[in-house]
Amino acid sequence: DAMVIQNPRYQVTQFGKPVTLSCSQTLNHNVMYWYQQKSSQAPKLLFHYYDKDFNNEADTPDNFQSRRPNTSFCFLDIRSPGLGDAAMYLCATSSGPGQPQHFGDGTRLSIL
Amino acid sequence: QKEVEQNSGPLSVPEGAIASLNCTYSDRGSQSFFWYRQYSGKSPELIMFIYSNGDKEDGRFTAQLNKASQYVSLLIRDSQPSDSATYLCASGGYQKVTFGTGTKLQVIP
Repeated sequence: DAMVIQNPRYQVTQFGKPVTLSCSQTLNHNVMYWYQQKSSQAPKLLFHYYDKDFNNEADTPDNFQSRRPNTSFCFLDIRSPGLGDAAMYLCATSSGPGQPQHFGDGTRLSIL
Repeated sequence: QKEVEQNSGPLSVPEGAIASLNCTYSDRGSQSFFWYRQYSGKSPELIMFIYSNGDKEDGRFTAQLNKASQYVSLLIRDSQPSDSATYLCASGGYQKVTFGTGTKLQVIP
């Protein structure tokens, strides 16, 4: 089945140790999104790509970066994770701006 | 700040009843509206989307949109215990979608 796949499902890292989360999609969607979601909060958009055009939200910390090497893959890099970065990280795709978004299962990040 | 407001709940309904979930949005430029279901510890799952004023039905779910009042609702008929989850409302324009914090629904057997 076509889908959005995130790896790993669970990631534990040490305070300050870089970590990379990955997302792949077989939907051939143009738009890919990264969200951060903490308990009982709305998903917070970090970045999105429309094809290769990168869009960074104004309040996304500099600590967070993203790469989209091709249509199918997108990565979230956290350069120096702090305790406040512990959250669920969600990748989503859509066929275009304003279209329904389809989410992967998420990566739950824990910081020791 | 573009916002989507939802009552956090919990909204408790008996099994078989109609659950009514409501949402308001602040951005009059919003063109697309979505309802997602999110089980605890899981990712959001798209339930309904609506672009035009009026009702849109899909099985037990009906989405309602009133752009003049900036109001979106989701009705769940014949509610089942498996419908117990948090329901996220989202509104969007060309650039991005804004999510509400969700309403927790509890369906009591």
